[in-house]
Amino acid sequence: KQEVTQIPAALSVPEGENLVLNCSFTDSAIYNLQWFRQDPGKGLTSLLLIQSSQREQTSGRLNASLDKSSGRSTLYIAASQPGDSATYLCAAHRSGTYKYIFGTGTRLKVLA
Amino acid sequence: DVKVTQSSRYLVKRTGEKVFLECVQDMDHENMFWYRQDPGLGLRLIYFSYDVKMKEKGDIPEGYSVSREKKERFSLILESASTNQTSMYLCASSAPGLNEQFFGPGTRLTVL
Repeated sequence: KQEVTQIPAALSVPEGENLVLNCSFTDSAIYNLQWFRQDPGKGLTSLLLIQSSQREQTSGRLNASLDKSSGRSTLYIAASQPGDSATYLCAAHRSGTYKYIFGTGTRLKVLA
Repeated sequence: DVKVTQSSRYLVKRTGEKVFLECVQDMDHENMFWYRQDPGLGLRLIYFSYDVKMKEKGDIPEGYSVSREKKERFSLILESASTNQTSMYLCASSAPGLNEQFFGPGTRLTVL
Protein backbone atom coordinates (compact mmCIF):
# COMPACT_ATOMS: atom_id res chain seq x y z
CA LYS A 1 0.00 0.00 0.00
CA GLN A 2 1.37 3.37 -1.00
CA GLU A 3 2.12 5.74 1.84
CA VAL A 4 3.33 9.30 1.41
CA THR A 5 5.11 11.13 4.20
CA GLN A 6 6.10 14.75 4.46
CA ILE A 7 8.60 15.85 7.05
CA PRO A 8 8.71 18.28 8.74
CA ALA A 9 5.06 18.99 9.39
CA ALA A 10 5.85 22.67 9.95
CA LEU A 11 8.74 24.96 9.11
CA SER A 12 9.54 28.63 9.83
CA VAL A 13 12.32 30.39 7.96
CA PRO A 14 13.46 34.01 7.55
CA GLU A 15 12.77 35.75 4.29
CA GLY A 16 15.39 35.19 1.60
CA GLU A 17 16.40 31.73 2.74
CA ASN A 18 16.57 28.82 0.29
CA LEU A 19 14.67 25.81 1.57
CA VAL A 20 13.89 22.19 0.78
CA LEU A 21 10.63 20.37 1.48
CA ASN A 22 10.68 16.59 1.53
CA CYS A 23 8.23 13.98 0.32
CA SER A 24 8.80 10.22 0.78
CA PHE A 25 6.76 7.44 -0.78
CA THR A 26 6.89 3.71 -0.12
CA ASP A 27 5.93 2.30 -3.53
CA SER A 28 8.28 3.18 -6.40
CA ALA A 29 5.68 2.15 -9.02
CA ILE A 30 4.45 5.68 -9.47
CA TYR A 31 3.21 7.27 -12.69
CA ASN A 32 3.96 10.81 -11.61
CA LEU A 33 4.37 12.98 -8.53
CA GLN A 34 2.67 16.33 -8.14
CA TRP A 35 3.40 19.20 -5.76
CA PHE A 36 0.64 21.53 -4.61
CA ARG A 37 0.29 24.66 -2.56
CA GLN A 38 -2.71 25.25 -0.30
CA ASP A 39 -3.55 28.55 1.36
CA PRO A 40 -5.72 28.44 4.50
CA GLY A 41 -9.33 27.58 3.71
CA LYS A 42 -8.66 27.30 0.00
CA GLY A 43 -8.28 24.61 -2.62
CA LEU A 44 -5.01 23.14 -3.90
CA THR A 45 -2.97 24.93 -6.53
CA SER A 46 -0.79 22.76 -8.76
CA LEU A 47 2.86 23.83 -8.65
CA LEU A 48 4.82 21.16 -10.46
CA LEU A 49 4.25 17.70 -11.88
CA ILE A 50 7.11 15.28 -12.44
CA GLN A 51 6.51 12.28 -14.62
CA SER A 52 8.16 9.01 -13.60
CA SER A 53 10.60 9.25 -16.53
CA GLN A 54 11.79 12.70 -15.43
CA ARG A 55 14.26 13.63 -12.72
CA GLU A 56 13.20 17.22 -12.11
CA GLN A 57 10.95 20.09 -13.10
CA THR A 58 11.43 23.83 -12.65
CA SER A 59 9.04 26.75 -12.50
CA GLY A 60 10.42 30.14 -11.51
CA ARG A 61 11.91 29.89 -8.02
CA LEU A 62 10.63 26.33 -7.59
CA ASN A 63 12.46 23.16 -8.48
CA ALA A 64 11.13 19.69 -7.83
CA SER A 65 13.17 16.51 -8.09
CA LEU A 66 12.17 12.88 -8.16
CA ASP A 67 14.23 9.83 -7.19
CA LYS A 68 12.06 6.76 -7.61
CA SER A 69 14.73 4.33 -6.44
CA SER A 70 14.99 5.98 -3.05
CA GLY A 71 11.29 6.86 -2.87
CA ARG A 72 11.91 10.58 -2.48
CA SER A 73 10.90 13.87 -3.99
CA THR A 74 12.06 17.29 -2.91
CA LEU A 75 10.67 20.75 -3.56
CA TYR A 76 13.33 23.44 -3.52
CA ILE A 77 12.21 27.04 -3.02
CA ALA A 78 14.82 29.68 -3.77
CA ALA A 79 14.94 33.08 -2.09
CA SER A 80 11.79 32.52 -0.04
CA GLN A 81 9.28 35.34 0.39
CA PRO A 82 6.46 35.92 2.92
CA GLY A 83 4.01 35.23 0.08
CA ASP A 84 5.34 31.66 -0.07
CA SER A 85 3.76 30.99 3.32
CA ALA A 86 1.28 28.15 2.81
CA THR A 87 0.93 24.41 3.21
CA TYR A 88 2.74 22.37 0.58
CA LEU A 89 1.45 18.92 -0.31
CA CYS A 90 2.83 16.20 -2.51
CA ALA A 91 0.77 13.48 -4.18
CA ALA A 92 1.98 10.24 -5.76
CA HIS A 93 -0.03 8.80 -8.63
CA ARG A 94 0.31 5.04 -8.67
CA SER A 95 0.92 3.44 -12.06
CA GLY A 96 -2.07 1.66 -13.56
CA THR A 97 -4.58 3.21 -11.18
CA TYR A 98 -6.57 6.39 -10.85
CA LYS A 99 -5.42 6.85 -7.28
CA TYR A 100 -3.37 9.73 -5.99
CA ILE A 101 -1.99 9.32 -2.49
CA PHE A 102 -1.46 12.60 -0.69
CA GLY A 103 0.96 13.47 2.06
CA THR A 104 -0.38 15.48 5.00
CA GLY A 105 1.69 18.48 4.04
CA THR A 106 4.39 20.81 5.33
CA ARG A 107 3.11 24.10 6.74
CA LEU A 108 5.63 26.77 5.74
CA LYS A 109 5.90 30.19 7.30
CA VAL A 110 8.33 32.71 5.82
CA LEU A 111 9.05 35.53 8.24
CA ALA A 112 9.54 39.09 6.96
CA ASP B 1 -6.14 28.27 -17.56
CA VAL B 2 -7.92 25.23 -16.26
CA LYS B 3 -10.85 26.20 -14.14
CA VAL B 4 -12.64 24.02 -11.65
CA THR B 5 -15.52 25.65 -9.82
CA GLN B 6 -17.58 24.46 -6.88
CA SER B 7 -21.12 25.60 -6.22
CA SER B 8 -20.59 26.93 -2.69
CA ARG B 9 -17.62 28.03 -0.59
CA TYR B 10 -19.47 27.59 2.71
CA LEU B 11 -22.52 25.51 3.49
CA VAL B 12 -24.37 24.86 6.75
CA LYS B 13 -26.88 22.02 6.88
CA ARG B 14 -28.84 20.15 9.51
CA THR B 15 -28.51 16.48 10.38
CA GLY B 16 -30.66 14.34 8.10
CA GLU B 17 -30.82 16.85 5.24
CA LYS B 18 -29.98 15.82 1.69
CA VAL B 19 -27.00 17.83 0.49
CA PHE B 20 -25.79 18.43 -3.05
CA LEU B 21 -22.27 19.64 -3.81
CA GLU B 22 -21.60 20.50 -7.43
CA CYS B 23 -18.36 20.75 -9.36
CA VAL B 24 -17.85 22.04 -12.89
CA GLN B 25 -14.67 22.01 -14.98
CA ASP B 26 -14.12 23.81 -18.25
CA MET B 27 -11.21 21.83 -19.73
CA ASP B 28 -13.08 18.84 -21.17
CA HIS B 29 -11.32 16.52 -18.69
CA GLU B 30 -12.46 12.91 -18.60
CA ASN B 31 -11.51 12.31 -14.97
CA MET B 32 -13.16 13.97 -11.99
CA PHE B 33 -12.69 13.36 -8.29
CA TRP B 34 -14.29 14.18 -4.95
CA TYR B 35 -12.09 14.32 -1.83
CA ARG B 36 -12.65 15.34 1.73
CA GLN B 37 -9.90 16.96 3.77
CA ASP B 38 -9.74 16.73 7.55
CA PRO B 39 -7.01 17.91 9.93
CA GLY B 40 -4.47 15.18 10.58
CA LEU B 41 -6.03 12.86 7.99
CA GLY B 42 -5.10 14.66 4.80
CA LEU B 43 -7.06 14.24 1.59
CA ARG B 44 -9.14 11.10 1.21
CA LEU B 45 -10.82 10.04 -2.00
CA ILE B 46 -14.59 9.63 -1.84
CA TYR B 47 -15.47 8.90 -5.47
CA PHE B 48 -13.88 9.05 -8.89
CA SER B 49 -15.45 9.29 -12.35
CA TYR B 50 -13.60 8.53 -15.57
CA ASP B 51 -16.45 9.26 -17.99
CA VAL B 52 -20.06 10.34 -18.14
CA LYS B 53 -22.21 8.03 -16.01
CA MET B 54 -19.12 6.06 -14.93
CA LYS B 55 -17.98 6.09 -11.33
CA GLU B 56 -15.72 4.21 -8.96
CA LYS B 57 -15.73 4.16 -5.18
CA GLY B 58 -12.75 5.67 -3.48
CA ASP B 59 -11.47 4.99 0.01
CA ILE B 60 -14.42 6.42 1.98
CA PRO B 61 -17.63 6.21 -0.10
CA GLU B 62 -19.96 5.34 2.77
CA GLY B 63 -22.72 7.91 3.23
CA TYR B 64 -22.06 9.50 -0.18
CA SER B 65 -23.21 9.04 -3.75
CA VAL B 66 -22.26 10.81 -6.97
CA SER B 67 -23.77 11.74 -10.29
CA ARG B 68 -22.12 12.54 -13.60
CA GLU B 69 -24.68 13.22 -16.30
CA LYS B 70 -22.50 15.62 -18.29
CA LYS B 71 -18.77 15.52 -18.85
CA GLU B 72 -18.13 18.88 -17.24
CA ARG B 73 -20.20 18.35 -14.09
CA PHE B 74 -19.68 15.99 -11.16
CA SER B 75 -22.03 16.10 -8.19
CA LEU B 76 -21.51 14.74 -4.70
CA ILE B 77 -24.64 13.83 -2.76
CA LEU B 78 -24.98 13.30 0.97
CA GLU B 79 -28.24 11.37 1.20
CA SER B 80 -28.73 12.09 4.90
CA ALA B 81 -26.12 14.44 6.31
CA SER B 82 -24.51 13.56 9.61
CA THR B 83 -22.24 15.58 11.90
CA ASN B 84 -19.24 13.40 11.03
CA GLN B 85 -19.54 14.63 7.45
CA THR B 86 -18.54 18.13 8.55
CA SER B 87 -15.42 18.70 6.48
CA MET B 88 -13.75 20.52 3.60
CA TYR B 89 -14.82 18.97 0.29
CA LEU B 90 -12.53 19.34 -2.69
CA CYS B 91 -13.28 18.53 -6.32
CA ALA B 92 -10.55 17.89 -8.88
CA SER B 93 -10.27 17.02 -12.56
CA SER B 94 -7.55 15.62 -14.80
CA ALA B 95 -7.04 14.49 -18.35
CA PRO B 96 -5.77 10.99 -19.24
CA GLY B 97 -2.11 10.87 -20.13
CA LEU B 98 -0.36 13.48 -18.06
CA ASN B 99 -2.94 13.08 -15.30
CA GLU B 100 -2.13 16.42 -13.70
CA GLN B 101 -4.85 17.17 -11.16
CA PHE B 102 -6.52 20.57 -10.93
CA PHE B 103 -8.58 21.46 -7.89
CA GLY B 104 -11.56 23.66 -7.19
CA PRO B 105 -11.65 26.19 -4.33
CA GLY B 106 -13.33 23.78 -1.92
CA THR B 107 -16.62 23.75 -0.02
CA ARG B 108 -16.52 23.99 3.76
CA LEU B 109 -19.55 22.00 4.90
CA THR B 110 -20.81 22.17 8.47
CA VAL B 111 -23.53 19.74 9.56
CA LEU B 112 -25.29 20.76 12.77
